[in-house]
Amino acid sequence: GDSVTQMEGPVTLSEEAFLTINCTYTATGYPSLFWYVQYPGEGLQLLLKATKADDKGSNKGFEATYRKETTSFHLEKGSVQVSDSAVYFCALTDSSGGYQKVTFGTGTKLQVIP
Amino acid sequence: KAGVTQTPRYLIKTRGQQVTLSCSPISGHRSVSWYQQTPGQGLQFLFEYFSETQRNKGNFPGRFSGRQFSNSRSEMNVSTLELGDSALYLCASSLDSGRASEQYFGPGTRLTVT
Repeated sequence: GDSVTQMEGPVTLSEEAFLTINCTYTATGYPSLFWYVQYPGEGLQLLLKATKADDKGSNKGFEATYRKETTSFHLEKGSVQVSDSAVYFCALTDSSGGYQKVTFGTGTKLQVIP
Repeated sequence: KAGVTQTPRYLIKTRGQQVTLSCSPISGHRSVSWYQQTPGQGLQFLFEYFSETQRNKGNFPGRFSGRQFSNSRSEMNVSTLELGDSALYLCASSLDSGRASEQYFGPGTRLTVT
C-alpha cells in the first residue's frame, strides 16, 4: 500500500537558519503530494502541494519539488522564523481506486529559537 | 467563506460510554474525512464520505462508525469507549475526491476517556 516516510523530529533551529525536512513516499498510482502544517492547538493547514513530477509547490517562503525519480518531496525554507515553529506533515493523495485516499507521514516537529 | 467546524471542541467520557462528534464542512464541499491523532500513532485515517456514501475506510474496529447527511454535514460515533480512544479527532473536507483535492481541516475534538 501507500506510505509516507518523514525524517524524525524534533528539529531545532536558530532563527534565520536553513530548513530541510525530508519526505519520501511509495504509492501504487500517480499521487499528488502535499505538505500540511499544524500549529499548537489547531487543526492542519495546507502549506503547499504538487500534482505532477517536477512541479514545485511554494507558499510563505517554503518550497518542495515533486521528484518522481527519487520518490521524494522534501520541504525547504531559506530562513526560518520563530513563528514557523509547528508540526509539519507530508502527505500523498492517490485516487487509483476511483476515490480519494490520503496517506500522512508521522509529522516532524520544528522548533525555532530566537 | 466559513471554515470547517467541529463540535464539541472538548469532551470527557467514561469507559464503556458512547460518543458522537459532529463536523460541518466548508460550503460546497462534498467530501468529508475523519482522522484520529494521537502522540503514539500520529494521524490515522478513519473513513471518508462523499455525497452520503462511505468511499473509504481505515483500519479501525467496528465501534467506530460515521455517516454523512444530504447537506454534507458528517457525524462520527464511537461506541463502548476504551481508554485508548482518547485522542484528537480531526475532520477534513474537500471539494471533491480527486487526487489533487486539498483537504481543509477543522480544529478537532479533543476526546478524553477516563
